[in-house]
Amino acid sequence: SAVISQKPSRDICQRGTSLTIQCQVDSQVTMMFWYRQQPGQSLTLIATANQGSEATYESGFVIDKFPISRPNLTFSTLTVSNMSPEDSSIYLCSGQSAGSEAFFGQGTRLTVV
Amino acid sequence: SQQGEEDPQALSIQEGENATMNCSYKTSINNLQWYRQNSGRGLVHLILIRSNEREKHSGRLRVTLDTSKKSSSLLITASRAADTASYFCATDGGTGGSYIPTFGRGTSLIVHP
Repeated sequence: SAVISQKPSRDICQRGTSLTIQCQVDSQVTMMFWYRQQPGQSLTLIATANQGSEATYESGFVIDKFPISRPNLTFSTLTVSNMSPEDSSIYLCSGQSAGSEAFFGQGTRLTVV
Repeated sequence: SQQGEEDPQALSIQEGENATMNCSYKTSINNLQWYRQNSGRGLVHLILIRSNEREKHSGRLRVTLDTSKKSSSLLITASRAADTASYFCATDGGTGGSYIPTFGRGTSLIVHP
């Protein structure tokens, strides 16, 4: 099973600033995903991080707000740009190879004040 | 949109009792996965069951899958206070479908010591 290290684990940020979240997988995975989870809610997929190309965003999420990088098969970043209090949430990354289970980082609890 | 829907939304039991959670989904799948999440942290993978499997066990966990009814159940036997968490099912695939896991709303389980 893969281990995913996600950081920071939590942060409190001022509105209008940006935060970059990093995920490092200890082995190569085919796919990496970024999710957002509001308290007590399910996970909402933000985007699929594609190695060496632009991420694939889900409806309601755009690259200008959530730029994503994936320079190789083990690393990805998500930036939450120009933050507002509505962006306060838990952000989760996951890694998966086709047909196998998805593994998750420990999450980043973001509070925007 | 969410594929899986867990039932019940909340479950409260005494230590030693069994806990059963159900997941229903709408379209055909390749795999169904169950996860546990403690207090807004990262998701811990419990069991993956493939569409051609009917039952899997892991320790005190038993997962069943009924593709004709498009439903799955997670049984935790002899529950412990440490089992207190939210439990999510996630589905992916189907013929020509995506491997991206789609999550239900989760069941919040409280096990009283």
